[in-house]
Amino acid sequence: DAKTTQPPSMDCAEGRAANLPCNHSTISGNEYVYWYRQIHSQGPQYIIHGLKNNETNEMASLIITEDRKSSTLILPHATLRDTAVYYCIVRVTNTGNQFYFGTGTSLTVIP
Amino acid sequence: GAGVSQSPRYKVAKRGQDVALRCDPISGHVSLFWYQQALGQGPEFLTYFQNEAQLDKSGLPSDRFFAERPEGSVSTLKIQRTQQEDSAVYLCASSRDSYEQYFGPGTRLTVT
Repeated sequence: DAKTTQPPSMDCAEGRAANLPCNHSTISGNEYVYWYRQIHSQGPQYIIHGLKNNETNEMASLIITEDRKSSTLILPHATLRDTAVYYCIVRVTNTGNQFYFGTGTSLTVIP
Repeated sequence: GAGVSQSPRYKVAKRGQDVALRCDPISGHVSLFWYQQALGQGPEFLTYFQNEAQLDKSGLPSDRFFAERPEGSVSTLKIQRTQQEDSAVYLCASSRDSYEQYFGPGTRLTVT
């Protein structure tokens, strides 16, 4: 699975959009981009995933560049409860493939 | 519905003791994963089951680590002769398909 690069930390004002970048320049054509987050003392929580097209769900939006070498997770209206470590993962979707988490981005939402 | 549960939530073991960590996956989930998370790091893969078959154990750090899932549901991760470097949070995840993995809250193991 391709490696990802994320900034170690970011701040965001409460109520504003949080834009979390991820570089995955070696991504292969059959690898998906996944985002998970981990709130302190909890297990990781699935947010969203995509292959080529932009995706949106009730939690977030995922914007993938046309060349698929980078992506951005957007939390449209960040709340204090969104403070967490956010992991960007690329993975071949195939039963049995584990996730390689890396160290993620620690997002702090500031009141 | 009920999520993935793990027990105990916290475990303190003296160096050299054996420990057993339990994972109850979401009912009907075929796939089960174990991860180890050291302080300040992301989770790292240990092993994977599909039903009762252990298909990948490439992440187990030594032969002191052993996992089983005899009936394809509950899984146990056993660590023999614990060492201080085994101190970490052990996470279990289950999956119905190839996409999402649902994680439990983890077991925090401290070896003294």
